[in-house]
Amino acid sequence: DGGITQSPKYLFRKEGQNVTLSCEQNLNHDAMYWYRQDPGQGLRLIYYSQIVNDFQKGDIAEGYSVSREKKESFPLTVTSAQKNPTAFYLCASSRRDEQYFGPGTRLTVT
Amino acid sequence: AQSVTQPDIHITVSEGASLELRCNYSYGATPYLFWYVQSPGQGLQLLLKYFSGDTLVQGIKGFEAEFKRSQSSFNLRKPSVHWSDAAEYFCAVGAGNAGNMLTFGGGTRLMVKP
Repeated sequence: DGGITQSPKYLFRKEGQNVTLSCEQNLNHDAMYWYRQDPGQGLRLIYYSQIVNDFQKGDIAEGYSVSREKKESFPLTVTSAQKNPTAFYLCASSRRDEQYFGPGTRLTVT
Repeated sequence: AQSVTQPDIHITVSEGASLELRCNYSYGATPYLFWYVQSPGQGLQLLLKYFSGDTLVQGIKGFEAEFKRSQSSFNLRKPSVHWSDAAEYFCAVGAGNAGNMLTFGGGTRLMVKP
């Protein structure tokens, strides 16, 4: 079955550590996205990539980094510079009009 | 810049009652409009979308939405709510071009009373 996988589902880290969230898709989509979701705030765009080896900052990119070395993969690194990293992170991909979402990773930093 | 407003943060309806979730958007051109549903701790699932043509669009799970350009609205409706419809619902607007950037509303949490 085609889809988007995110791993792990739950992730715990100590403050000051970088952590990388995985996102893989087998839908052959060109575009991929990372969103952050906080209670009551909807989805906010962190980074997006429209093609391999290219990506752009979204609305809240500070403290995050990404890479897009393969079409299928778009990992997100939450760095120690991110002030409030605890959140639910959603990855999505799209070919043209519609975005398809992964199941999300809940990151808790203490 | 485009924006989406979902005026109702929480809505509670009785099972079997009708439902309408409001969505208002701000966009300079003809918008591409979407409704997504999210169960707790899960990703988002597309319910329906409007690109052009008939302003009343049908989606999955018995949902429909009506695009009203004069009111800049894209409200989601269901004639009879089931307990399994309890979830969070997001309206989104996009340009529809390749790469399709979406702007999401803040979401409406639906609770269903037995």
